[in-house]
Amino acid sequence: QVQLQESGPGLVKPSQTLSLTCTVSGGSISSDGYYWNWVRQHPGGGLEWIGYIYDSGETRYNPSLRSRVTISIDTSKNHFSLELSSVTAADTAVYYCARVASLGKVPNSVYYYYYGMDVWGQGTTVTVS
Amino acid sequence: DIQMTQSPSSLSASVGDRVTITCRASQTITTYLNWYQQKPGKVPNLLIYGASSLQSGVPSRFSGSGSGTDFTLTISSLQPEDFATYHCQQSYSNPYTFGQGTKLEIK
Repeated sequence: QVQLQESGPGLVKPSQTLSLTCTVSGGSISSDGYYWNWVRQHPGGGLEWIGYIYDSGETRYNPSLRSRVTISIDTSKNHFSLELSSVTAADTAVYYCARVASLGKVPNSVYYYYYGMDVWGQGTTVTVS
Repeated sequence: DIQMTQSPSSLSASVGDRVTITCRASQTITTYLNWYQQKPGKVPNLLIYGASSLQSGVPSRFSGSGSGTDFTLTISSLQPEDFATYHCQQSYSNPYTFGQGTKLEIK
């Protein structure tokens, strides 16, 4: 069973770069058809999707964070990483890594599938101060 | 961005009650709608995808419906372990936005 585990500093100074790594165990990060995501949750708040990377290196980012975010992947180490630059107190949150999988075909469609976050890491709290 | 709005923001109910939570999208997302359950201090857990398909291992008392802009999550008979926060998420377009969450509490 695939498991994800986030790691990285819990405290980052304002204007510096937040760096986190998500290690995948129980399966290969290169397995076909999965997207590797970062999501964050502000204290007492809702969830915010940050971006994803595919094992090919293809990335997609939330436009609101795009200028500050880089997601990378190291298939040899079976992990992927998040860098968020120029952080402020507003970036204080619990950061989760999550796997997005293809879950089922859209009815009456040959090519389209539904996707959802079916495996999550435990989350890591990052405080900017 | 597509805005996702859940109602109510919080809800009190009793074990055995039937509960419905609503999620509205600011534009059509056809049926690209997921529901997650998050217990306090825990990780979100996928309940429903494609607006109405039950994720493997999820009890059948959970169901989802809707298409276009309006969706509902129904719990047919609340169990003690169902008291949690529920989040909807659209998987239609980037950014893949979530609702603000609905906290389901014990009455």
